[in-house]
Amino acid sequence: DVQLVQSGTEVKKPGESLKISCQGSGFSFSNHWIGWVRQVPGKGLEWMGIVYPGDSDTRYNPSFQGHVTISADMSITTAYMQWSSLKASDTAIYYCARAASGSHDSYDIWGQGTMVTVSS
Amino acid sequence: NFMLTQPHSVSESPGRTITISCTRSSGSIANNYVQWYQQRPGSAPTTVIYEDVLRPSGVPDRFSASIDSSSNSASLTISGLKTEDEAEYYCQSYDGINVVFGGGTQLTVL
Repeated sequence: DVQLVQSGTEVKKPGESLKISCQGSGFSFSNHWIGWVRQVPGKGLEWMGIVYPGDSDTRYNPSFQGHVTISADMSITTAYMQWSSLKASDTAIYYCARAASGSHDSYDIWGQGTMVTVSS
Repeated sequence: NFMLTQPHSVSESPGRTITISCTRSSGSIANNYVQWYQQRPGSAPTTVIYEDVLRPSGVPDRFSASIDSSSNSASLTISGLKTEDEAEYYCQSYDGINVVFGGGTQLTVL
């Protein structure tokens, strides 16, 4: 089965660092862009950025650039989102999604989401 | 950046047909593919339409979509509505730099 499996729920304090993961299986991971999408509870979807595991090419939504780092390790078919200093406003569900072959943005497979809570 | 505007909510009875619109604020709707995602409460989004009109395997043909350049909008049509179709629906497109999602449309099937 083609799937993306994300790491589990995180509870952190403001200022702490965090790295969440998204492991792909059942497809050629290095040949698909992987996107990250944020959803604040009760709100809509926001695109954060994408990474191409084949060469680690990365693009960011300007609204998130500088606050998060997106990366990938194709040897273990895993993409990552990381923060060096979390804020309470980072509390959200984070989804990874696979873009269809040859696309940056036609997402066809989604991970189950990672809930991140940042609270003192 | 452009915006994608969707109605906040729609409702229809089981067995009927509903159409959800998605209007692009600037740039041509036809220049970049439009995707549609379904999100049931407490679940991750799933793709019901990608690249304007394509259905992933497993999505029933009750789901269809179209592009209308004259109104610069995309539409998702669901026929033969079922209670299981009740969900939030998001359209999404791209301008070569940013991926943009619509605000979402809550579909109620009652």
